[in-house]
Amino acid sequence: GESVGLHLPTLSVQEGDNSIINCAYSNSASDYFIWYKQESGKGPQFIIDIRSNMDKRQGQRVTVLLNKTVKHLSLQIAATQPGDSAVYFCAESALAGGGTSYGKLTFGQGTILTVHP
Amino acid sequence: SAVISQKPSRDICQRGTSLTIQCQVDSQVTMMFWYRQQPGQSLTLIATANQGSEATYESGFVIDKFPISRPNLTFSTLTVSNMSPEDSSIYLCSAETSGIGGEQYFGPGTRLTVT
Repeated sequence: GESVGLHLPTLSVQEGDNSIINCAYSNSASDYFIWYKQESGKGPQFIIDIRSNMDKRQGQRVTVLLNKTVKHLSLQIAATQPGDSAVYFCAESALAGGGTSYGKLTFGQGTILTVHP
Repeated sequence: SAVISQKPSRDICQRGTSLTIQCQVDSQVTMMFWYRQQPGQSLTLIATANQGSEATYESGFVIDKFPISRPNLTFSTLTVSNMSPEDSSIYLCSAETSGIGGEQYFGPGTRLTVT
């Protein structure tokens, strides 16, 4: 379905702090989740994904936590840098196509992260 | 990962005209998608571009308004037909990398303004 948000949540942090961006998803059947970063004038950039058989996954400076009980997803960014300033979207999907494709993504409303030097 | 390019990057069009947006992927992919993003908002899926068959449209989007082609595994087009100012938006294509539960990557988007 369509996700509409005229007023995106915002998060302001100081450079070097850790950032936590939260996302509540709606479909209990979703079993695949992705975080994207979108800078102004650009397309969404893949950051990290997690499948429902996991509750935590780590990448470089980023960690995604999944709580299926309360349908909550979070993205933690360690030692946030000014270059991390962007809009962050979570997206959810369910395995489809005979189990070979996650296909269509449903996006959350997004969070604006601003990192102050 | 996949590198995706789109043409044009932006355009200003008059109402009643049509615009075709091209999407090129640097590798063969099974799944390609088209999304719309209103300024300051989230992304909404328009349709799945199926190779060799008709696209699969989401609720609220129809083929007559948004015809899609997918002639091969690396290329797709989206046409925005009979445009009105309400069609002003960013149009993004994406591709899912091959394999079970592949990651989905996005192009840079096409910013369309209809006057």
